Amino acid sequence: EVQVLESGGGLVQPGGSLRLSCGASGFTFNNCAMSWVRQAPGMGLEWVSGISGSGSSTYYADSVKGRFTISRDNSKDTLYLQMNSLRAEDTAVYYCARDISMIVVRAFDIWGQGTMVTVSS
Amino acid sequence: DIVMTQTPLSLSVTPGQPASISCKSSQSLLYSDGKTYLYWYLQKTGQPPQLLIYEVSNRFSGVPDRFSGSGSGTDFTLKISRVEPEDVGVYYCMQSIQLRPTFGGGTKVEIK
Repeated sequence: EVQVLESGGGLVQPGGSLRLSCGASGFTFNNCAMSWVRQAPGMGLEWVSGISGSGSSTYYADSVKGRFTISRDNSKDTLYLQMNSLRAEDTAVYYCARDISMIVVRAFDIWGQGTMVTVSS
Repeated sequence: DIVMTQTPLSLSVTPGQPASISCKSSQSLLYSDGKTYLYWYLQKTGQPPQLLIYEVSNRFSGVPDRFSGSGSGTDFTLKISRVEPEDVGVYYCMQSIQLRPTFGGGTKVEIK
């Protein structure tokens, strides 16, 4: 079965750091670009970051650029999101999503169930 | 960034009746490769979004043919020919002509 599964969410204080992971199975991981998309409580969807299949190209929303780092380990079929200098407004469910493209960020056909990140003192 | 504006915010539909959602972008979504990078998703309560339509009018695998997408440039529409109870949820349009996708605010579809 094709699936992705996020982990690593939790409660963190403002200014703190958290690393999210997303394990993939059922497909050739390095053939697919991947993204993180978040959803604040009761709000809409916000794309956060994307990475090409090889990992050589990365993309960020302005709201997280300079604070978040996306990476992947194709030998482990795993996607990561390192989140630093967290703010209250980063509180959201973070979804890992598979892209229909190998190279660029286009659209997302497989989504995980999400992991909740709460930034609060 | 490209701003995506959806209308209406919510829609209450009788089963078997049609529904239509509009999505307008602040810039043309037609790319130099001839493709238009406009997508539609449905998020059911408590679930992640699911891809319905890609590149304006192409139904994704497994999507019922009562769903159809149309439009060009900056104006797009998602139509449900006959709404079923399982179609309830929030519908989002999304652009990815720029390598930083943006979503519309969402349209909540309910059953009367």
